[in-house]
Amino acid sequence: AQSVSQHNHHVILSEAASLELGCNYSYGGTVNLFWYVQYPGQHLQLLLKYFSGDPLVKGIKGFEAEFIKSKFSFNLRKPSVQWSDTAEYFCAVKGDTGFQKLVFGTGTRLLVSP
Amino acid sequence: EPEVTQTPSHQVTQMGQEVILRCVPISNHLYFYWYRQILGQKVEFLVSFYNNEISEKSEIFDDQFSVERPDGSNFTLKIRSTKLEDSAMYFCASNPGTSYEQYFGPGTRLTVT
Repeated sequence: AQSVSQHNHHVILSEAASLELGCNYSYGGTVNLFWYVQYPGQHLQLLLKYFSGDPLVKGIKGFEAEFIKSKFSFNLRKPSVQWSDTAEYFCAVKGDTGFQKLVFGTGTRLLVSP
Repeated sequence: EPEVTQTPSHQVTQMGQEVILRCVPISNHLYFYWYRQILGQKVEFLVSFYNNEISEKSEIFDDQFSVERPDGSNFTLKIRSTKLEDSAMYFCASNPGTSYEQYFGPGTRLTVT
């Protein structure tokens, strides 16, 4: 069965610090990978996605993620966080055939202090 | 930019009552989903819907749950007899059928007392 692990449940950073949020998945096949963000009081928004090709993908708001197939990982990074990045971040995976369900990790709550 | 909308934003109901959660997916989208997130837990898949029928459902989606697309625009989730453990945030999502990205609504917070 598919599963996603996000090891950091709460992260606190100061503005301008670098960010890396871990995501590991378990799936017996080719996957599509996603990072979603949920700002306080708002809905889930797609930050970035990986389907195939270049394993380093860039998303909105300066975020990027690297797919490392050998490690079953898809870590999210940002070189310099801002106070406005305070949110909850969810990694998700789906099998690459069809329009299947997303399987989510538990989420990482990021607090950026000004 | 088109968005998925959900109503109500918050619903309080008594145990054993029926509730209907409503979603209006993005126009022309073809695939529809319901997820839920119990407080402090991960977002869990409930059901997917395509071509007017359920295409996949999780073990959570038992006989107490049903989905409907009654009029070509709304997509509803019905819980026939709510239980305390149904208290959660329920998210609707839709997919255009041309990419694998799912677009989420703002959620309905269901509180069962």
